[in-house]
Amino acid sequence: DQQVKQNSPSLSVQEGRISILNCDYTNSMFDYFLWYKKYPAEGPTFLISISSIKDKNEDGRFTVFLNKSAKHLSLHIVPSQPGDSAVYFCAASAVGNNRKLIWGLGTSLAVNP
Amino acid sequence: DAGVIQSPRHEVTEMGQEVTLRCKPISGHNSLFWYRQTMMRGLELLIYFNNNVPIDDSGMPEDRFSAKMPNASFSTLKIQPSEPRDSAVYFCASIFDSSVKAFFGQGTRLTVV
Repeated sequence: DQQVKQNSPSLSVQEGRISILNCDYTNSMFDYFLWYKKYPAEGPTFLISISSIKDKNEDGRFTVFLNKSAKHLSLHIVPSQPGDSAVYFCAASAVGNNRKLIWGLGTSLAVNP
Repeated sequence: DAGVIQSPRHEVTEMGQEVTLRCKPISGHNSLFWYRQTMMRGLELLIYFNNNVPIDDSGMPEDRFSAKMPNASFSTLKIQPSEPRDSAVYFCASIFDSSVKAFFGQGTRLTVV
């Protein structure tokens, strides 16, 4: 059973517009959430994270929003650029779980020029 | 630092053969993870070492899989005997101390024919 779900396998956005990637989770013990980006033939690279004590974290063009009551988080990229085209993974961690990361299946983002 | 280094990048082997994947974590990182990525199951944690000691191997699929970390700078994942269903991309990742921000290698693409 997937504890972290990314229900959209793919997303296509026009350059300059906003990209919104969504992630839902089921485990209320998760207290830290991360987004990773993955290009083909490379390993995932860390993008941005958020602690459960916050509801928003911003880093340049990237903002992550956390809605604990809905067990939902989203990654906003604005403005989107062609170089953002990649697979984005949502991951979650629980303090009592050896800090293991539980991963979603990923969303493939295509930013069209 | 060169980052997490995995070898080989690609491995093609025949069913029944032994396969050994190698990983050198980032110097100073004291936790190491082996992941397997498939289309159907996404990123699955196979095993997690902390200070060279296996902490959680609940993700290791079966006895054909084994992992070692003889020292802080080297780990191996061995599959013996290999089967076609083991075909996947295997990633190694390392973290420092109690951080959850993992750094990934470029992965080994394993094909068992």
